[in-house]
This record gives sequence, structure tokens and C-alpha cells, in this order.
Amino acid sequence: GNSVTQMEGPVTLSEEAFLTINCTYTATGYPSLFWYVQYPGEGLQLLLKATKADDKGSNKGFEATYRKETTSFHLEKGSVQVSDSAVYFCALSEMNTGFQKLVFGTGTRLLVSP
Amino acid sequence: DSGVTQTPKHLITATGQRVTLRCSPRSGDLSVYWYQQSLDQGLQFLIQYYNGEERAKGNILERFSAQQFPDLHSELNLSSLELGDSALYFCASSVSSGGATEQFFGPGTRLTVL
Repeated sequence: GNSVTQMEGPVTLSEEAFLTINCTYTATGYPSLFWYVQYPGEGLQLLLKATKADDKGSNKGFEATYRKETTSFHLEKGSVQVSDSAVYFCALSEMNTGFQKLVFGTGTRLLVSP
Repeated sequence: DSGVTQTPKHLITATGQRVTLRCSPRSGDLSVYWYQQSLDQGLQFLIQYYNGEERAKGNILERFSAQQFPDLHSELNLSSLELGDSALYFCASSVSSGGATEQFFGPGTRLTVL
């Protein structure tokens, strides 16, 4: 079946450091890819998405590019802030008889210190 | 605030009991999704409803059931509860059910089974 693999956390960085969180996927067909973020005590929020190969999703300084050749969708940010501390989930959209089902990775916790 | 509401926020109950979790989607959203988030299983899709009808099923146990009512709110019923059912249960909603549709998540219901 379809699956998403994320790098193990936690990822610990100092403020203004460069961030990369790796995500690779296994899927049949051409799924859409997403990054969701979960702040402490809250539900998930969509951070960015990409719907086809070579698409780049971006939001709030975060970016990820849909790489079909390497089946990857790595999340990057040039300069992290303390407020970026959260758990980040990579996900793919699996179409099940025409209706969306999200398959999530295990999540990567990011801790940013001042 | 995503616009998705879930009640109750916390629920503590005993093994063998039955509970009902409630979700109100964002205004205008026709699709409702239920997810379970636990430490050992991660974030797993349970079930999706679209305009009152069940559309997709994931790893939902037979002891669990859900429904979506004419006013589009949804309830997830968990019966014969076991210790392993302790988890955070999220509801999400979306306008449609397309492959790249953004899902908006509620804050979750934390279920503790003692």
C-alpha cells in the first residue's frame, strides 16, 4: 500500500539555522503531497502542498518540491524561528474510489532554541 | 482557529464502556474525516463521510462506528473500549473530496481509557 517515511526526530536547531526535514513516499499513481504542522495542544494545519511532479509548495518561508524521480518531498526553511517549534507531518493523498484519504508519516518534532 | 469544533476536549472512561465523540465541520464543508493519533500507531485515517454518506474507510475497528447527520455534524462512536483505544481523535472537514483538497482539523478529543 501507499506509505510515507519521514526522518526521525527530534530535530534540534538554533534560531536562524537552516532546516531540512526529509520525506519520501511510496505510491501507485500520482498522489498529491502535503506538509501539515501541529503546534502543541492543537490540531493539524496545512502548511503547503504540491499536486504534480516538479511543483513547489511554499508558505511562511517553508518550501518543498515534489520530486517524482526520487519520490521525495523534503521540507526546507532558510532561517527557523522559535515559533516554528512544532511537529511536522508529511502526507500523501490517496484517492479511494474518487475520495481523498490522507496517509501520514510518523511526524518529525522540531525544537528551535533562541 | 480552523472553524472545526470537537467535543468533548477530554474524556476519561473505563474499559468496556462506550463513548461518543462529536464534530462540527466548518460552515459549508460537506466532507468529514476522522483520524486517530496514538504514540504507537501514529496518525491514522479512520473514516470519511461526504454529505451524509460513508465514502472511505481506513483502519477503523468493528467496535467503532460513525455517522454524519443532515446538519453535517458527525459523531464517532467507540464501544467495548480497551486500554489501547486511548488516543487523540481528530475530526477534519473539507469543502469537497478531491485529491488536493485541504482538510481543516479540529483541536481533537483526548480519550483516556482506564
